[in-house]
Amino acid sequence: EPEVTQTPSHQVTQMGQEVILRCVPISNHLYFYWYRQILGQKVEFLVSFYNNEISEKSEIFDDQFSVERPDGSNFTLKIRSTKLEDSAMYFCASSQRSSGGHLSSDTQYFGPGTRLTVL
Amino acid sequence: QKEVEQNSGPLSVPEGAIASLNCTYSDRGSQSFFWYRQYSGKSPELIMFIYSNGDKEDGRFTAQLNKASQYVSLLIRDSQPSDSATYLCAVKLNTGFQKLVFGTGTRLLVSP
Repeated sequence: EPEVTQTPSHQVTQMGQEVILRCVPISNHLYFYWYRQILGQKVEFLVSFYNNEISEKSEIFDDQFSVERPDGSNFTLKIRSTKLEDSAMYFCASSQRSSGGHLSSDTQYFGPGTRLTVL
Repeated sequence: QKEVEQNSGPLSVPEGAIASLNCTYSDRGSQSFFWYRQYSGKSPELIMFIYSNGDKEDGRFTAQLNKASQYVSLLIRDSQPSDSATYLCAVKLNTGFQKLVFGTGTRLLVSP
């Protein structure tokens, strides 16, 4: 069964360093998402991406964050200058569509996550 | 204002019992409703989605939606110890928004 994959599974970095988290969405999916979950807290939406551009972003997704689809398979999240409070699990998700059409096609499937630890 | 609310639990049930998990949401225009299961340290795993008022059954799981009351629930029949996890309710808002809004999750403990 197709699944979303993410690398690395765990990333440790020093405060102020740049990190890039990588994701390979499900191959026939068109919409891609990043969420994060701080330990003990709820899953929070960061950004959605469609047709090579950001389609929606949250207040969390400030200028320190960027996303890119550098090729036909990868989807990346870059944090330019990490802060201690960026420590969290980062989940990539994908869906066939956003809404409309066959309703089940807007279901988002999550990857295993990258645990980011900022020291 | 909290958009999706769940009781954090833990909800403890004996093996074989029915577990009932509840979720309320604030945006009356919400379109799609999802239940995810999350084991500790793992990612959300889709259990069910529901869009229309009423019940939807899939194996041991039944999702119930009442849009008038802004309420969605998940019933797990014949609960197993392996069902012990945190159950996340997620809501997709009006058409045009893509993000899922998650509740804090309800921790379910099924004792043998």
